[in-house]
Amino acid sequence: RKEVEQDPGPFNVPEGATVAFNCTYSNSASQSFFWYRQDCRKEPKLLMSVYSSGNEDGRFTAQLNRASQYISLLIRDSKLSDSATYLCVVNRSGNTGKLIFGQGTTLQVKP
Amino acid sequence: GAGVSQSPSNKVTEKGKDVELRCDPISGHTALYWYRQSLGQGLEFLIYFQGNSAPDKSGLPSDRFSAERTGGSVSTLTIQRTQQEDSAVYLCASSLVSSGDYNEQFFGPGTRLTVL
Repeated sequence: RKEVEQDPGPFNVPEGATVAFNCTYSNSASQSFFWYRQDCRKEPKLLMSVYSSGNEDGRFTAQLNRASQYISLLIRDSKLSDSATYLCVVNRSGNTGKLIFGQGTTLQVKP
Repeated sequence: GAGVSQSPSNKVTEKGKDVELRCDPISGHTALYWYRQSLGQGLEFLIYFQGNSAPDKSGLPSDRFSAERTGGSVSTLTIQRTQQEDSAVYLCASSLVSSGDYNEQFFGPGTRLTVL
């Protein structure tokens, strides 16, 4: 079993839709949690960190449930430019150290 | 400012040959990481350098893989006697190291390695 698991998708949604991605992690010692975005044939870039209290950045909302070892990302009012692969990422070592990546969930937003 | 750079961007080699991949981190970043991404797979951690500390080599898949970081800046990942399963995109990342909030890892564009 992978340490970080995601539904690979693809998720095909129309513009304006709300879409949710889920992720589970197996190591209860994990300390930090993130969503990265990766465009086709490009490097990953940090989208947002995920905090225990939940956090929002514009149309994006991230939530963490430590008891269930579950992370989510909600995208409201999808744009064509949101089409990408979304990577769920955990860090066991606080604010430094190696990142453990999920396989990624591919989102395709259609006109 | 300049981001993380990697060279070459593409490398095609024959099975059994050695390859060297280079990473130039962002100036001032003391932490440097190597990951690889195989087709359709997530990123897999390989090795992590932080300042003068001993590197975390726990992700290196075999003893054919090694990496060094000279002068606390540029890093080279070496793969000896390459195999076809080594074909992947090799990504380098760097970050500041400080207490407090997460130190974002900034990724380079990667080196796409193809072993024939």
